[in-house]
Amino acid sequence: QVLLQESGPGLVKPSETLSLTCTVSGASINSYYWTWIRQPPGKGLEWIGYIYYSGSTNYNPSLRSRVTMSIDTPKNQFSLKLTSVTAADTAVYYCAKVGMGVIDHWGQGTVVTVSS
Amino acid sequence: DIQMTQSPSSLSASIGDRVTITCRASQSISSSLNWYQQKPGKAPKLLIYAASSLQSGVPSRFSGSGSGTDFTLTISSLQPEDFATYYCQQSYRTPYTFGQGTKLEMK
Repeated sequence: QVLLQESGPGLVKPSETLSLTCTVSGASINSYYWTWIRQPPGKGLEWIGYIYYSGSTNYNPSLRSRVTMSIDTPKNQFSLKLTSVTAADTAVYYCAKVGMGVIDHWGQGTVVTVSS
Repeated sequence: DIQMTQSPSSLSASIGDRVTITCRASQSISSSLNWYQQKPGKAPKLLIYAASSLQSGVPSRFSGSGSGTDFTLTISSLQPEDFATYYCQQSYRTPYTFGQGTKLEMK
């Protein structure tokens, strides 16, 4: 059973950097693509980007200038950094596993609020 | 970006009803279309992938069809646990994009 768990601060100040980590169990991170998706309160889903175990990445152009994803294979973790956050970045952030573009396993999500 | 448009945005139905939700892509995406169910406070759950393939463990009352630009999700006989929000997602090209969601409510 593949399980994913997000972790990181729930409150980030405007202009600072949002940092989240996803810990994967039940699957080796040395396979598949791993992705981040977010959902602002009461709104729909936005794909942020994905990372492969090799370290190759693909980011949503709408966020590309502010996003960095990384992977830590010994720890079976991958991470998200989003710089220069504003209130518009307030959302539930999900990490997930991707196979051929299909998001087949999701973490439970973590709420991140941007506020001073 | 490929735009995904779902209709309706909300839908009221009763237990036992047959329900159909439509998703339209702004350009052809072949069969690269996936459906997810999301309940309040929970992560989305994969129901259908590649337009018509049922994810393991998903009840057979859920089915998907379509190709190109027009797709449908059908629930053959609505059950109490099916009241939720449904999203389509294209996996044809990045950035992956989702429909705006269809909220299925009890009549």
